[in-house]
Amino acid sequence: GENVEQHPSTLSVQEGDSAVIKCTYSDSASNYFPWYKQELGKRPQLIIDIRSNVGEKKDQRIAVTLNKTAKHFSLHITETQPEDSAVYFCAASKKDGNNRLAFGKGNQVVVIP
Amino acid sequence: DTAVSQTPKYLVTQMGNDKSIKCEQNLGHDTMYWYKQDSKKFLKIMFSYNNKELIINETVPNRFSPKSPDKAHLNLHINSLELGDSAVYFCASSRAGANYEQYFGPGTRLTVT
Repeated sequence: GENVEQHPSTLSVQEGDSAVIKCTYSDSASNYFPWYKQELGKRPQLIIDIRSNVGEKKDQRIAVTLNKTAKHFSLHITETQPEDSAVYFCAASKKDGNNRLAFGKGNQVVVIP
Repeated sequence: DTAVSQTPKYLVTQMGNDKSIKCEQNLGHDTMYWYKQDSKKFLKIMFSYNNKELIINETVPNRFSPKSPDKAHLNLHINSLELGDSAVYFCASSRAGANYEQYFGPGTRLTVT
């Protein structure tokens, strides 16, 4: 099955700096890559996703890039704010996979005011 | 209005007991899921139902039995609870098919003593 790995496991950044989280996947058939944010004690929520027919997608301060050849994708958060502090999960799924999401282990992002 | 709801929010019980967690969604989705999030925050799919039909059944002990009385509800029954069952259990729902956003419920924190 699909194996998704995330790096680093913990990331601390100064408020206003950028944060980058990288994920790799193993199944070349995967074609959908969402990112979920989970604040402490809360539910995971989708913040951005990308499909394999595009290389980059942006939504205000967050962006995701995808390199299908290398099988990796990254989340970029610019101008970080304290409310960006959370655990971020990358995931991958494929068209014939019953919407089965293979999640990475999560990254704890800490924004230092 | 709550999109995906779960009851109870907290569940503390002793080893050997049987307990149930209920989930309901009012999004009109056809597909529902159960995830387990352990103490290390790892999100692992357990089951998925599409319009009351089981479509994902991961390797979980058969003490765990999902039941979907209709497409808006997916309950999880756990027999003979063990210490290792302690975790947060999330219900989620999505449109049927591949590569759709999954909407998570607030989670049920199960503690087995």
